[in-house]
Amino acid sequence: EVQLVESGGGLVQPGGSLRLSCSASGFTFSTYAMHWVRQAPGKGLEFVSAISTNGGSTYYADSVKGRFTISRDNSKNTLYLQMSSLRAEDTAVYYCVNGLRGTLDYWGQGTLVTVSS
Amino acid sequence: DVVMTQSPLSLPVTLGQPASISCRSSQSLVYSDGDTYLNWFQQRPGQSPRRLIYKVSNRDSGVPDRFSGSGSGTDFTLKISRVEAEDVGVYYCMQGTHWPRTFGQGTKVEIK
Repeated sequence: EVQLVESGGGLVQPGGSLRLSCSASGFTFSTYAMHWVRQAPGKGLEFVSAISTNGGSTYYADSVKGRFTISRDNSKNTLYLQMSSLRAEDTAVYYCVNGLRGTLDYWGQGTLVTVSS
Repeated sequence: DVVMTQSPLSLPVTLGQPASISCRSSQSLVYSDGDTYLNWFQQRPGQSPRRLIYKVSNRDSGVPDRFSGSGSGTDFTLKISRVEAEDVGVYYCMQGTHWPRTFGQGTKVEIK
């Protein structure tokens, strides 16, 4: 059974930093691209970032480019999202999602990030 | 970025009746390999999203056959042949052809 478990969310002040982690199991982690997708309270889904199987290619939404960094450790089956210069508009549930070409397969349960003073 | 436009945004449906959601993209979703990466997701209240359909019309394992996807190029449709109570939720289309990936605004399906 595929499991994606996010952690690291919480309350952070504007301008602060946070690192999210996603622990993966139930599939061959190193053969899947991985993604972060977020959902602000009461809003729709927004792509945040993606990383290729070996980490050689990364992609970002314009809204987070230069502030967020995605990375992965295939030896630990773990995906990361380093978030800095956080803003109120980054408040959302952040989902970890695996996926092959052109799609998103399984979603984690999400971790809530709240940016507020 | 590719803009995905869904309609309607709210869809009240009578149990047992059909429902249809439209999704239009601002650019063609045909990739260089010939495939069209248009996906549909369902998000039930309080749950994470789950994929229903990938590459326009391929239904995921465990998805009831009352769900079907169709379309081509820039114009796509998700149909529910007979709506059941468990189908209540928000449905999103998402394109996986271009970077960054983009989602439609979501269509909220509710029972009349």
